[in-house]
Amino acid sequence: QKEVEQDPGPLSVPEGAIVSLNCTYSNSAFQYFMWYRQYSRKGPELLMYTYSSGNKEDGRFTAQVDKSSKYISLFIRDSQPSDSATYLCAMSRTDKLIFGTGTRLQVFP
Amino acid sequence: DAGVTQSPTHLIKTRGQQVTLRCSPKSGHDTVSWYQQALGQGPQFIFQYYEEEERQRGNFPDRFSGHQFPNYSSELNVNALLLGDSALYLCASSLGARTEAFFGQGTRLTVV
Repeated sequence: QKEVEQDPGPLSVPEGAIVSLNCTYSNSAFQYFMWYRQYSRKGPELLMYTYSSGNKEDGRFTAQVDKSSKYISLFIRDSQPSDSATYLCAMSRTDKLIFGTGTRLQVFP
Repeated sequence: DAGVTQSPTHLIKTRGQQVTLRCSPKSGHDTVSWYQQALGQGPQFIFQYYEEEERQRGNFPDRFSGHQFPNYSSELNVNALLLGDSALYLCASSLGARTEAFFGQGTRLTVV
């Protein structure tokens, strides 16, 4: 069993839709949770960084962490074609990041 | 702020050769981590450098080695290249023990 599980998609939604991306994990020692966006052939871009359970909002993005269920989510409101990318969840105990496989999102006009 | 910069952007090497990839961390960052990302997969941790020493290492063979310089820049060396080493190599920088890591654009290595 992988430490971090993420549905690879692809996920295709119309412009303006609310997108929900999810990851589950097995290691209860993870303390830090991140979401990265990666465009094709580019490096990952940090979107959200959270430490504790609960919600964190930044513009159209909301990150949610439920440590009791070992489940994290990223919500994208009013999705745009420019949001089309691969979204990677990542988590850490202290130093190294453990990534999911990434979910490919396509937002069509 | 230049962010994390990596060189070269692309590289083609022959099986059995050796390669060196370079990384300059984000201004103010002192910790550099290297990751390997195969096509369609998430990045896999190779190792991390702090104060010029390897602080942590992932499940990669000794063919993968690295170095950090006094200015915090870093190199990743891979010896005896295999076809399976073809991947996007990513450098990430952070500040001390903080896990908030910022990535460079990566070096795409193709081994033929």
